[in-house]
Amino acid sequence: GENVEQHPSTLSVQEGDSAVIKCTYSDSASNYFPWYKQELGKRPQLIIDIRSNVGEKKDQRIAVTLNKTAKHFSLHITETQPEDSAVYFCAASRGYSTLTFGKGTMLLVSP
Amino acid sequence: DAGVIQSPRHEVTEMGQEVTLRCKPISGHNSLFWYRQTMMRGLELLIYFNNNVPIDDSGMPEDRFSAKMPNASFSTLKIQPSEPRDSAVYFCASSSVWGATEAFFGQGTRLTVV
Repeated sequence: GENVEQHPSTLSVQEGDSAVIKCTYSDSASNYFPWYKQELGKRPQLIIDIRSNVGEKKDQRIAVTLNKTAKHFSLHITETQPEDSAVYFCAASRGYSTLTFGKGTMLLVSP
Repeated sequence: DAGVIQSPRHEVTEMGQEVTLRCKPISGHNSLFWYRQTMMRGLELLIYFNNNVPIDDSGMPEDRFSAKMPNASFSTLKIQPSEPRDSAVYFCASSSVWGATEAFFGQGTRLTVV
């Protein structure tokens, strides 16, 4: 089955800096890669996703890149703000199968 | 739509007792997932259903865990008997296309077994 590795497990940045979280996956047939944000005590919520026919996707301060050859994808957050502090999960799926989640990255943005 | 609805939000029970967690998926979604979240193990998939049929329950940790989906609008996760190591947050999620679109999570049930 699919295996998703996520790094780093914790990431501390200063407000205004950029943050990058990286994930690798094992199943070359995976074609859907969502990112979820989970604030303390809340449910995970989708913030951005990318499909395998696209190399990059942006939504305001967040972007995701995908390298199918290397089987890795990354989340980029620019101009970080304290409200970006949360746990971020990457996931992978090949459609008509379940999402496999990474272990999560705790992002701490200091004012 | 109110989103995925789980009940109860919090459950405290004594070891050995039966616990039943409930989930109402988003109307029209045909895939439902049960996850368990702990600090040590992160988000673990326990079981998922497609069109009310269990597809893969290999994530269910032991025979003490069972799940049902009697119709498209209701699912239960039961633990009998419960043990302290079952303490975790249990999430239910649903999606409209199995594995190919956003999974919407419920607010979770925080289970504490003492």
